[in-house]
Amino acid sequence: QKEVEQNSGPLSVPEGAIASLNCTYSDRGSQSFFWYRQYSGKSPELIMFIYSNGDKEDGRFTAQLNKASQYVSLLIRDSQPSDSATYLCAGGYNNNDMRFGAGTRLTVKP
Amino acid sequence: GAVVSQHPSWVICKSGTSVKIECRSLDFQATTMFWYRQFPKQSLMLMATSNEGSKATYEQGVEKDKFLINHASLTLSTLTVTSAHPEDSSFYICSARDARGARPDTQYFGPGTRLTVL
Repeated sequence: QKEVEQNSGPLSVPEGAIASLNCTYSDRGSQSFFWYRQYSGKSPELIMFIYSNGDKEDGRFTAQLNKASQYVSLLIRDSQPSDSATYLCAGGYNNNDMRFGAGTRLTVKP
Repeated sequence: GAVVSQHPSWVICKSGTSVKIECRSLDFQATTMFWYRQFPKQSLMLMATSNEGSKATYEQGVEKDKFLINHASLTLSTLTVTSAHPEDSSFYICSARDARGARPDTQYFGPGTRLTVL
């Protein structure tokens, strides 16, 4: 069974702080990993994807992948109230399969 | 790029009627489309996967005769909820991927369709 686990939260951070979101996966066959952001009542939007071990930075967002430990994380620097949303981690495979975590709800307090 | 649209964005119908939801990829060819359902405050639940020109593959517990999926072209998939009942009320979201594109394993989501069955 290919599982992707996330802490459901809620995670609350003050404005300007670093928010750290974590995700673990059980199947070493996962080839690629994705972070989606979902605002309440809206559909998920892609933030970042990462395929290789290490860090990948895009603006205020940094994705980190450690295949040996089977975890992937998302760091949000200088958190803003507009970052308040549910963040979904997903692991993809060479076939059609992509498994989503349950999501972590983040609240950034002004 | 990679825009996915859905229509309608919301629908209210009477119990027993059928509802069709369209999912379109606007600027790429969607070799595979996915249909998800999401109940309030819950996570995404994959309902089925469809490849263009093939029958959809349904997840365990999803009734294929109730949720009819057609993926007749590389830009359009439809989900028909047949004989809808109040328990089918949910947020239905499609996503699409282009297996021959630059990011073949990335799914792009449509805006979702909120279905309310009275």
